[in-house]
Amino acid sequence: QVQLQESGPGLVHPSGTLSLTCAVSGDSISSSQWWTWVRQPPGKALEWIGEIYHSGTTNYNPSLKSRLTISIDKSKNQFSLRLSSVTAADTALYYCARSFGAFDYWGQGTLVTVSS
Amino acid sequence: DIQMTQSPSTLSASVGDRVIVTCRASQNITTWLAWYQQKPGKAPKLLIYKVSTLETGVPSRFSGSGSGTEFTLTISSLQPEDFATYYCQQYKSFFRTFGQGTKLEIQ
Repeated sequence: QVQLQESGPGLVHPSGTLSLTCAVSGDSISSSQWWTWVRQPPGKALEWIGEIYHSGTTNYNPSLKSRLTISIDKSKNQFSLRLSSVTAADTALYYCARSFGAFDYWGQGTLVTVSS
Repeated sequence: DIQMTQSPSTLSASVGDRVIVTCRASQNITTWLAWYQQKPGKAPKLLIYKVSTLETGVPSRFSGSGSGTEFTLTISSLQPEDFATYYCQQYKSFFRTFGQGTKLEIQ
């Protein structure tokens, strides 16, 4: 059974960098899937952040592209998100997911709050 | 980017009702459309992909239809566990986008 688990700090200071990791089990991160990040501000809709393929190819949300890096670590079967220069608008529940275009397996999500 | 617009934003219904949620794309996405169900405090769950293909384990009371820019999610007979928020998502573009969600409430 495929499982994904997000981890990382729950509190980030304004202008800092948000860093999260998604550990994948039950599937190889080198399989023919994309690995995706989605976020959801409290009480709001889902927002696609970006995705990475095992080759290292990435696709990013244009509105976040200048601040965003998604990377992959095949040796640990995990992928990561880094979002720089964060503001309160980046406060959200962050999910990682497996993708074939649609997202079939999701992590439970991790809340990241941007606050001083 | 491809914008996805759902209607209605909120839908009140009763157990046993047939309900329809609509999703419109700002440009042609052919059949690259998925639907998700999200319950409070939980991650979204994939219900349907490629417009009408049910994900494994999803009850047959859920169905999807449409193509191009107009799509619908139908629940044929609402069950208590179906009260949730539903999102559509396009994957025609590598810039994936979601609708704003439709909250299905108990009438």
